[in-house]
Amino acid sequence: QLRMVQSGAEVRKPGSSVKISCKASGYTFTKYFLHWVRLAPGQGLEWLGRVNPYNGDTMYAQKFQGRVTMTRDTSITTAYMELKRMTSDDTAMYYCTRDRGASLRGWFDPWGQGTQVTVSS
Amino acid sequence: DIQMTQSPSSLSASIGDRVTITCRASQDITGFLNWFQHKPGTAPRLLIFDVSNLEAGVPSRFTGRSDSETDFTLTINNLQPEDIATYYCQQYDDAITFGQGTRLEIK
Repeated sequence: QLRMVQSGAEVRKPGSSVKISCKASGYTFTKYFLHWVRLAPGQGLEWLGRVNPYNGDTMYAQKFQGRVTMTRDTSITTAYMELKRMTSDDTAMYYCTRDRGASLRGWFDPWGQGTQVTVSS
Repeated sequence: DIQMTQSPSSLSASIGDRVTITCRASQDITGFLNWFQHKPGTAPRLLIFDVSNLEAGVPSRFTGRSDSETDFTLTINNLQPEDIATYYCQQYDDAITFGQGTRLEIK
């Protein structure tokens, strides 16, 4: 069945980086865009960007340009999201999700279980 | 960036009520509008795609419509206890942005 399994919780200090993985299974990995979305305490859902697993092309939300990098390894059907120069405002649950629209449609399904990232000194 | 503004930010309703949530885009988004439901401790769930199309498995008491090129509505008829969640609109006309969310509680 369709599944997205993310790496475990992370704790980082301000100014550091984190890299989260998302292992996809149950479908053709290279056929669908993969997105990253976060939910910070007391905030709403926030889109960080997407990677095209077919060719590695990326699109990032303007807010995260220069600080986020999304990559993939097709041999192990896994996508990665690295966020650099983190502050306490980056404390959030981070989700990967497949765009089942086979292009940029925002039809997010399924979702990973989420990875909690905590930034604290 | 396209801004999405939802109203209300929160609302309280009774079981069996009809609930309406609105979403306004800062510019014409050509009907590229989806709705999500999020319950604490779970991943968000796609409810409605492209304004009014119900995702598979979503109860028919959820409906979506467009009131103009920038104004959209999610309606929940016959509110049920399992509908308690935060609801988000999302546009994909230009990149992707979510509304700030509407928290729905039981009165």
